[in-house]
Amino acid sequence: DQQVKQNSPSLSVQEGRISILNCDYTNSMFDYFLWYKKYPAEGPTFLISISSIKDKNEDGRFTVFLNKSAKHLSLHIVPSQPGDSAVYFCAASANYGQNFVFGPGTRLSVLP
Amino acid sequence: DTGVSQDPRHKITKRGQNVTFRCDPISEHNRLYWYRQTLGQGPEFLTYFQNEAQLEKSRLLSDRFSAERPKGSFSTLEIQRTEQGDSAMYLCASSPSGSTGELFFGEGSRLTVL
Repeated sequence: DQQVKQNSPSLSVQEGRISILNCDYTNSMFDYFLWYKKYPAEGPTFLISISSIKDKNEDGRFTVFLNKSAKHLSLHIVPSQPGDSAVYFCAASANYGQNFVFGPGTRLSVLP
Repeated sequence: DTGVSQDPRHKITKRGQNVTFRCDPISEHNRLYWYRQTLGQGPEFLTYFQNEAQLEKSRLLSDRFSAERPKGSFSTLEIQRTEQGDSAMYLCASSPSGSTGELFFGEGSRLTVL
């Protein structure tokens, strides 16, 4: 049973527009959430995180929103750039930095 | 380059052979993680070290899998009697103690079992 779900395997967005990537989780014990970006032939790289005590965290063009009651988080990228084209993984932890559970990823394509 | 280093990058082996992967974490990082990633899936947690102590190993996929970090620096992941289902990307990551979660991943070691 997948505890972290990313139901959209892929997403295409026009350059300059907003990209919204979604993630749902089932384990109510999760208290820390991260987004990673992965380019081909590279390991995942950390993008942004959010603690369960917050509902929003922003870093430049990237904003993560957390809705605990819905067990849902989303990553907004504004404006989207072609260099943002990558696979994005949502990850969650119930014990801060030990066992992270990753979703299956969403492939984002930003079209020029 | 001071990032996480993994070796070899790609290993092709025959079923039944043993393989070992090495990970050199970022030097000041106390924590070291091993993950496995198969096609179309996200990284799957295998095990975790704090310095030389292996704090979580229940997620290792079977008793054919073992990991060590003998001096709290580099780590090895060994798979004995490989099976075709072991074919995957094996990712190593490190983080400093007290980190709230940012993992620094290596580029991975891809295993192909024929």
